[in-house]
Amino acid sequence: AQSVTQPDIHITVSEGASLELRCNYSYGATPYLFWYVQSPGQGLQLLLKYFSGDTLVQGIKGFEAEFKRSQSSFNLRKPSVHWSDAAEYFCAVGTGGFKTIFGAGTRLFVKA
Amino acid sequence: NAGVMQNPRHLVRRRGQEARLRCSPVKGHSHVYWYRQLPEEGLKFMVYLQKENIIDESGMPKERFSAEFPKEGPSILRIQQVVRGDSAAYFCASSPASGGGPADTQYFGPGTRLTVL
Repeated sequence: AQSVTQPDIHITVSEGASLELRCNYSYGATPYLFWYVQSPGQGLQLLLKYFSGDTLVQGIKGFEAEFKRSQSSFNLRKPSVHWSDAAEYFCAVGTGGFKTIFGAGTRLFVKA
Repeated sequence: NAGVMQNPRHLVRRRGQEARLRCSPVKGHSHVYWYRQLPEEGLKFMVYLQKENIIDESGMPKERFSAEFPKEGPSILRIQQVVRGDSAAYFCASSPASGGGPADTQYFGPGTRLTVL
C-alpha cells in the first residue's frame, strides 16, 4: 500500500541555521512527489514537486528537495532558515490514480 | 486573480444537523478534490470530481457524506446528521483541465473548520 512517512513530528531550528525535513514513501511505481507548506489557519501551498529528470529540484522560498530512489526518500532542505518559515510541512505522493497521499506533517519552530 | 475560495471558513453545527461546505475552484479549473484534516494529522483524500461527475470517491465515508460539482456554481461537500467525529478541517483543491491524475498541481483553498457540538 502507498504511504508517506515523516519521521519528525516537530523540529526546532535556530534562525539562520540549515534545515532538513525527512520524508520516506512507499510506492511501487515511479512516484510523483510533492512538498507543501501550511501556515496556521491557512491552506496548503506547493513548495516544489518531482516527476522525473534531475533528482534535485528547486522550489519557492529557497527550498530544495532531493529524490533518492534507493532510499525511497524525498527530503526537503533549506540552507538558511528565516523566522517566517515556521509552519507545518507536508510531504505527499501522487499515486497512479487521482489520489494524493499526505504524510502526517512536520511542524517547524524557528528560534531567534 | 482569485485562488480557491471556500466558505464558510468556520462552521459550527450540533449533532444531527447538516453541514454544507462550498468550494469555488480557481477560474478555469474543472477538477476539484476534497480532503479532510484531523488535528495533528495530514490530509486524507475524500473525493475527486470533474464538472458534473464524481471520478473517485473512494476516500469518502459511504454514509452521510456526499459531494457534487455542478455545471454552474461551486462544488458542495454535504455532511448529513453530523457527529462529533466529523469535526475537522475540510480542504478543497482544484487543478486545471489537463486530464487529471497524480502529476497535476493542486491549488488549495484556506479550508473550512467544522466543529460539531
